[in-house]
Amino acid sequence: GESVGLHLPTLSVQEGDNSIINCAYSNSASDYFIWYKQESGKGPQFIIDIRSNMDKRQGQRVTVLLNKTVKHLSLQIAATQPGDSAVYFCAENSNTGKLIFGQGTTLQVKP
Amino acid sequence: EPEVTQTPSHQVTQMGQEVILRCVPISNHLYFYWYRQILGQKVEFLVSFYNNEISEKSEIFDDQFSVERPDGSNFTLKIRSTKLEDSAMYFCASNPTSGGNEQFFGPGTRLTVL
Repeated sequence: GESVGLHLPTLSVQEGDNSIINCAYSNSASDYFIWYKQESGKGPQFIIDIRSNMDKRQGQRVTVLLNKTVKHLSLQIAATQPGDSAVYFCAENSNTGKLIFGQGTTLQVKP
Repeated sequence: EPEVTQTPSHQVTQMGQEVILRCVPISNHLYFYWYRQILGQKVEFLVSFYNNEISEKSEIFDDQFSVERPDGSNFTLKIRSTKLEDSAMYFCASNPTSGGNEQFFGPGTRLTVL
């Protein structure tokens, strides 16, 4: 069935360290993936996306890795800052347009 | 920078009452969506809308739910007879094209059903 999930519900890191948030998806036909950040009381905010014809994409301080062989997606945040504290969701964009979200990982950044 | 807006930010209603949640998508976008998020859970798809009709809906989107684009700017979600389990954050989203593109989310409406 359709599902996109995250491996860890909470990740706690020290300020300045790198963070890695993981995601597993089940639909091998999915061809587009997005990472969203959600701060308390706000809507999901786009971070970075990747299409299935790529295995890596970099943004400002963030990198997304896609391993289609094992249907795994990860988000790497370099030099994590207190402002990065939030819930992070991976989402699979089906060819019908809807987003299928994972459970979310809470990132806590310790000063 | 253009953004999706939603009103109200918080709606409290009695069980069995009708509620209408309002959204103004980004002006040049053509595809519109409603999602909901029960407290502490993941975001769930409700419905997608294009060209003045529903493109897809989830199992959650039963006969109690309806959507409408009454004019060129607003996109509404109506719940006819609210239930306690309808309490959630409701997010509107839009994008210029379907599939394979970022969806822009509004700040959400918190619906509390008493």
